[in-house]
Amino acid sequence: EADIYQTPRYLVIGTGKKITLECSQTMGHDKMYWYQQDPGMELHLIHYSYGVNSTEKGDLSSESTVSRIRTEHFPLTLESARPSHTSQYLCASSASRTGENTEAFFGQGTRLTVV
Amino acid sequence: AQSVTQLGSHVSVSEGALVLLRCNYSSSVPPYLFWYVQYPNQGLQLLLKYTTGATLVKGINGFEAEFKKSETSFHLTKPSAHMSDAAEYFCAVTRWTGTASKLTFGTGTRLQVTL
Repeated sequence: EADIYQTPRYLVIGTGKKITLECSQTMGHDKMYWYQQDPGMELHLIHYSYGVNSTEKGDLSSESTVSRIRTEHFPLTLESARPSHTSQYLCASSASRTGENTEAFFGQGTRLTVV
Repeated sequence: AQSVTQLGSHVSVSEGALVLLRCNYSSSVPPYLFWYVQYPNQGLQLLLKYTTGATLVKGINGFEAEFKKSETSFHLTKPSAHMSDAAEYFCAVTRWTGTASKLTFGTGTRLQVTL
């Protein structure tokens, strides 16, 4: 069973509020990722990190920001939430080994609703 | 560039029937391929993966997939569907950006199992 945790699982918040979605993993993985997924839709990579102090934008443009101060922690922040940010956010991590065959482990997701 | 195409956004089978979920990939280099399953309001769980070696890969819950290079396919099968198999299934390929590898997902196939 994967040891990657996301909190909160569900969040309903008003427009303009600042929010932080938490993601932590206890597997010692260097690589971490944030995906955005609308209901019944595909996953879009919005941020990734290959280690401490390393963050990159993903394929889908996002107004969110991330930080990687500790290996195990990869929080995502929205400075001012809007209804267009309503979605499910999935965090994942993978080991950093030579080659491309390292699968990603996913958290259970945070379902964000901005009203 | 590497990408994944899943044919059929919805597949419905009777309990006990064969499950076949289709996935085709495009890749300029030998790919690493994955199938993930997502149950409602959950994160993604790895079903199986292909890296190198045997082209028929067995995964959890009785699922298997066969890598066919000539057809650029990695279809997921299960001989006999169970009600608990109802979920969303995602095919994914590892994509190399030149500096790092990232997972690219297909659009997903929702499997419905009926009595």
